[in-house]
Amino acid sequence: DAKTTQPNSMESNEEEPVHLPCNHSTISGTDYIHWYRQLPSQGPEYVIHGLTSNVNNRMASLAIAEDRKSSTLILHRATLRDAAVYYCIRRPSASGGSYIPTFGRGTSLIVHP
Amino acid sequence: DAGVIQSPRHEVTEMGQEVTLRCKPISGHNSLFWYRQTMMRGLELLIYFNNNVPIDDSGMPEDRFSAKMPNASFSTLKIQPSEPRDSAVYFCASSAQQGGELFFGEGSRLTVL
Repeated sequence: DAKTTQPNSMESNEEEPVHLPCNHSTISGTDYIHWYRQLPSQGPEYVIHGLTSNVNNRMASLAIAEDRKSSTLILHRATLRDAAVYYCIRRPSASGGSYIPTFGRGTSLIVHP
Repeated sequence: DAGVIQSPRHEVTEMGQEVTLRCKPISGHNSLFWYRQTMMRGLELLIYFNNNVPIDDSGMPEDRFSAKMPNASFSTLKIQPSEPRDSAVYFCASSAQQGGELFFGEGSRLTVL
Protein backbone atom coordinates (compact mmCIF):
# COMPACT_ATOMS: atom_id res chain seq x y z
CA ASP A 1 0.00 0.00 0.00
CA ALA A 2 1.82 3.04 -1.30
CA LYS A 3 -0.62 5.45 0.37
CA THR A 4 -0.11 7.82 -2.57
CA THR A 5 -1.62 7.79 -6.05
CA GLN A 6 0.03 9.11 -9.18
CA PRO A 7 -0.72 8.88 -12.91
CA ASN A 8 1.25 6.17 -14.68
CA SER A 9 2.75 8.49 -17.23
CA MET A 10 2.82 12.04 -18.50
CA GLU A 11 4.31 13.71 -21.53
CA SER A 12 5.78 17.13 -22.04
CA ASN A 13 7.69 19.10 -24.60
CA GLU A 14 11.13 20.43 -23.90
CA GLU A 15 11.23 23.93 -22.38
CA GLU A 16 7.61 23.68 -21.22
CA PRO A 17 6.48 23.51 -17.58
CA VAL A 18 5.41 20.16 -16.18
CA HIS A 19 2.97 19.61 -13.33
CA LEU A 20 3.15 16.16 -11.78
CA PRO A 21 0.24 15.43 -9.43
CA CYS A 22 0.12 13.18 -6.40
CA ASN A 23 -2.87 12.25 -4.27
CA HIS A 24 -2.32 11.46 -0.59
CA SER A 25 -5.80 11.76 0.83
CA THR A 26 -5.03 9.77 4.00
CA ILE A 27 -2.04 11.80 5.02
CA SER A 28 -1.63 12.55 8.72
CA GLY A 29 -0.87 15.96 10.11
CA THR A 30 2.78 15.18 10.82
CA ASP A 31 3.68 13.50 7.54
CA TYR A 32 5.97 15.19 5.08
CA ILE A 33 5.55 14.78 1.33
CA HIS A 34 8.75 13.73 -0.36
CA TRP A 35 9.42 13.56 -4.08
CA TYR A 36 12.10 11.44 -5.69
CA ARG A 37 13.01 10.75 -9.26
CA GLN A 38 14.74 7.83 -10.89
CA LEU A 39 16.72 8.35 -14.04
CA PRO A 40 17.32 5.33 -16.27
CA SER A 41 19.77 2.83 -14.79
CA GLN A 42 20.19 4.84 -11.58
CA GLY A 43 18.86 4.73 -8.06
CA PRO A 44 16.13 7.13 -6.98
CA GLU A 45 17.33 10.57 -5.98
CA TYR A 46 15.71 13.10 -3.70
CA VAL A 47 14.04 16.06 -5.37
CA ILE A 48 12.14 18.07 -2.78
CA HIS A 49 9.92 17.77 0.27
CA GLY A 50 7.40 19.83 2.17
CA LEU A 51 4.84 19.82 4.97
CA THR A 52 2.30 22.58 4.43
CA SER A 53 3.85 25.49 2.61
CA ASN A 54 4.95 25.54 -1.00
CA VAL A 55 8.64 24.86 -1.41
CA ASN A 56 11.20 25.80 -4.05
CA ASN A 57 14.70 24.54 -4.71
CA ARG A 58 17.06 24.47 -7.65
CA MET A 59 15.47 21.34 -9.07
CA ALA A 60 11.75 21.99 -8.74
CA SER A 61 8.87 23.53 -6.86
CA LEU A 62 6.36 21.73 -4.69
CA ALA A 63 2.83 23.00 -4.32
CA ILE A 64 0.83 21.44 -1.47
CA ALA A 65 -2.93 21.75 -1.37
CA GLU A 66 -4.41 23.60 1.57
CA ASP A 67 -6.06 20.40 2.86
CA ARG A 68 -2.79 18.52 2.24
CA LYS A 69 -4.58 15.73 0.44
CA SER A 70 -2.69 16.34 -2.76
CA SER A 71 0.48 17.96 -4.03
CA THR A 72 2.04 18.89 -7.34
CA LEU A 73 5.67 18.75 -8.34
CA ILE A 74 6.45 21.52 -10.79
CA LEU A 75 9.34 21.45 -13.22
CA HIS A 76 9.40 24.96 -14.59
CA ARG A 77 11.15 24.19 -17.86
CA ALA A 78 11.43 20.53 -18.76
CA THR A 79 14.62 19.31 -20.34
CA LEU A 80 15.42 15.97 -21.90
CA ARG A 81 17.40 15.14 -18.76
CA ASP A 82 14.21 15.39 -16.72
CA ALA A 83 12.85 12.25 -18.38
CA ALA A 84 12.54 9.90 -15.43
CA VAL A 85 10.10 8.16 -13.12
CA TYR A 86 8.88 10.52 -10.40
CA TYR A 87 7.69 9.18 -7.06
CA CYS A 88 5.90 10.92 -4.23
CA ILE A 89 5.93 9.25 -0.83
CA ARG A 90 4.92 10.09 2.70
CA ARG A 91 7.55 10.40 5.35
CA PRO A 92 6.82 10.87 9.04
CA SER A 93 8.35 13.76 10.91
CA ALA A 94 11.36 12.87 13.01
CA SER A 95 9.17 12.52 16.04
CA GLY A 96 6.35 10.78 14.22
CA GLY A 97 5.57 7.14 13.60
CA SER A 98 8.04 4.94 11.79
CA TYR A 99 6.23 3.36 8.90
CA ILE A 100 7.69 1.92 5.79
CA PRO A 101 8.70 4.40 3.06
CA THR A 102 6.68 2.82 0.28
CA PHE A 103 7.20 3.73 -3.34
CA GLY A 104 4.35 3.11 -5.72
CA ARG A 105 4.78 2.88 -9.48
CA GLY A 106 5.41 6.60 -9.81
CA THR A 107 4.84 8.70 -12.91
CA SER A 108 6.97 8.09 -15.94
CA LEU A 109 7.70 11.49 -17.49
CA ILE A 110 8.40 11.54 -21.21
CA VAL A 111 9.96 14.73 -22.57
CA HIS A 112 9.78 15.36 -26.30
CA PRO A 113 12.46 17.46 -28.02
CA ASP B 1 30.92 12.00 1.44
CA ALA B 2 30.88 9.23 -1.16
CA GLY B 3 27.22 8.51 -0.69
CA VAL B 4 25.70 5.08 -0.23
CA ILE B 5 28.05 2.47 -1.63
CA GLN B 6 26.82 -0.87 -2.91
CA SER B 7 28.73 -3.86 -4.19
CA PRO B 8 28.85 -5.65 -6.46
CA ARG B 9 27.31 -3.48 -9.17
CA HIS B 10 26.57 -6.51 -11.28
CA GLU B 11 26.33 -10.17 -10.34
CA VAL B 12 25.57 -13.09 -12.60
CA THR B 13 25.20 -16.43 -10.93
CA GLU B 14 23.62 -19.80 -11.40
CA MET B 15 20.50 -21.03 -9.72
CA GLY B 16 21.25 -22.55 -6.32
CA GLN B 17 24.30 -20.41 -5.60
CA GLU B 18 24.57 -18.10 -2.63
CA VAL B 19 24.53 -14.38 -3.34
CA THR B 20 25.70 -11.68 -0.94
CA LEU B 21 25.03 -8.02 -1.62
CA ARG B 22 26.76 -5.37 0.41
CA CYS B 23 25.95 -1.84 1.44
CA LYS B 24 27.82 0.93 3.18
CA PRO B 25 25.45 3.69 4.29
CA ILE B 26 26.37 7.33 4.59
CA SER B 27 28.34 7.94 7.76
CA GLY B 28 26.11 9.17 10.56
CA HIS B 29 22.89 7.84 9.08
CA ASN B 30 20.98 5.59 11.44
CA SER B 31 18.32 4.14 9.15
CA LEU B 32 19.08 1.68 6.37
CA PHE B 33 16.70 0.22 3.79
CA TRP B 34 16.96 -2.61 1.26
CA TYR B 35 14.73 -2.39 -1.82
CA ARG B 36 14.25 -4.66 -4.81
CA GLN B 37 13.14 -3.36 -8.20
CA THR B 38 11.68 -5.34 -11.08
CA MET B 39 9.59 -4.36 -14.05
CA MET B 40 6.70 -6.41 -12.77
CA ARG B 41 6.59 -5.26 -9.18
CA GLY B 42 8.31 -1.88 -9.19
CA LEU B 43 10.32 -0.77 -6.17
CA GLU B 44 9.59 -2.96 -3.15
CA LEU B 45 10.94 -2.51 0.35
CA LEU B 46 12.44 -5.74 1.67
CA ILE B 47 13.66 -4.74 5.13
CA TYR B 48 14.75 -1.73 7.08
CA PHE B 49 17.01 -1.20 10.04
CA ASN B 50 17.09 1.58 12.60
CA ASN B 51 20.23 1.90 14.70
CA ASN B 52 21.38 -1.48 13.32
CA VAL B 53 18.22 -3.24 14.53
CA PRO B 54 15.81 -4.76 12.00
CA ILE B 55 12.49 -2.95 12.42
CA ASP B 56 10.36 -4.45 9.68
CA ASP B 57 11.24 -7.41 7.49
CA SER B 58 7.74 -8.13 6.27
CA GLY B 59 8.85 -7.42 2.72
CA MET B 60 11.44 -10.20 2.68
CA PRO B 61 10.08 -12.69 0.14
CA GLU B 62 10.90 -15.92 1.93
CA ASP B 63 13.39 -17.69 4.13
CA ARG B 64 15.96 -17.76 1.37
CA PHE B 65 16.49 -14.05 1.99
CA SER B 66 18.31 -12.73 5.05
CA ALA B 67 19.77 -9.37 5.97
CA LYS B 68 22.19 -8.29 8.65
CA MET B 69 23.60 -5.05 9.91
CA PRO B 70 26.51 -5.92 12.22
CA ASN B 71 27.50 -2.28 12.68
CA ALA B 72 26.46 1.20 11.65
CA SER B 73 28.63 1.23 8.55
CA PHE B 74 27.82 -2.10 6.91
CA SER B 75 24.88 -4.23 5.89
CA THR B 76 24.46 -7.39 3.82
CA LEU B 77 21.56 -8.96 1.98
CA LYS B 78 22.01 -12.65 1.37
CA ILE B 79 20.05 -14.98 -0.88
CA GLN B 80 20.63 -18.69 -0.39
CA PRO B 81 19.85 -20.55 -2.56
CA SER B 82 19.23 -18.11 -5.38
CA GLU B 83 16.54 -18.66 -8.01
CA PRO B 84 15.96 -17.07 -11.45
CA ARG B 85 12.96 -15.12 -10.09
CA ASP B 86 15.34 -13.29 -7.74
CA SER B 87 16.82 -11.49 -10.74
CA ALA B 88 16.33 -7.79 -10.08
CA VAL B 89 18.12 -4.61 -9.14
CA TYR B 90 18.65 -4.38 -5.40
CA PHE B 91 18.98 -0.92 -3.89
CA CYS B 92 20.24 0.11 -0.50
CA ALA B 93 19.25 3.48 0.95
CA SER B 94 20.03 5.30 4.16
CA SER B 95 18.64 8.28 5.99
CA ALA B 96 19.85 10.42 8.86
CA GLN B 97 16.63 10.03 10.78
CA GLN B 98 13.45 8.00 10.51
CA GLY B 99 11.54 10.56 8.54
CA GLY B 100 14.41 12.08 6.67
CA GLU B 101 15.51 12.24 3.08
CA LEU B 102 16.46 8.88 1.60
CA PHE B 103 19.81 8.52 -0.12
CA PHE B 104 20.04 5.60 -2.52
CA GLY B 105 23.02 3.69 -3.78
CA GLU B 106 23.51 2.91 -7.44
CA GLY B 107 22.11 -0.58 -7.01
CA SER B 108 23.29 -4.13 -7.54
CA ARG B 109 21.94 -5.80 -10.65
CA LEU B 110 21.50 -9.51 -9.99
CA THR B 111 20.95 -12.07 -12.73
CA VAL B 112 20.30 -15.64 -11.71
CA LEU B 113 20.54 -18.11 -14.58
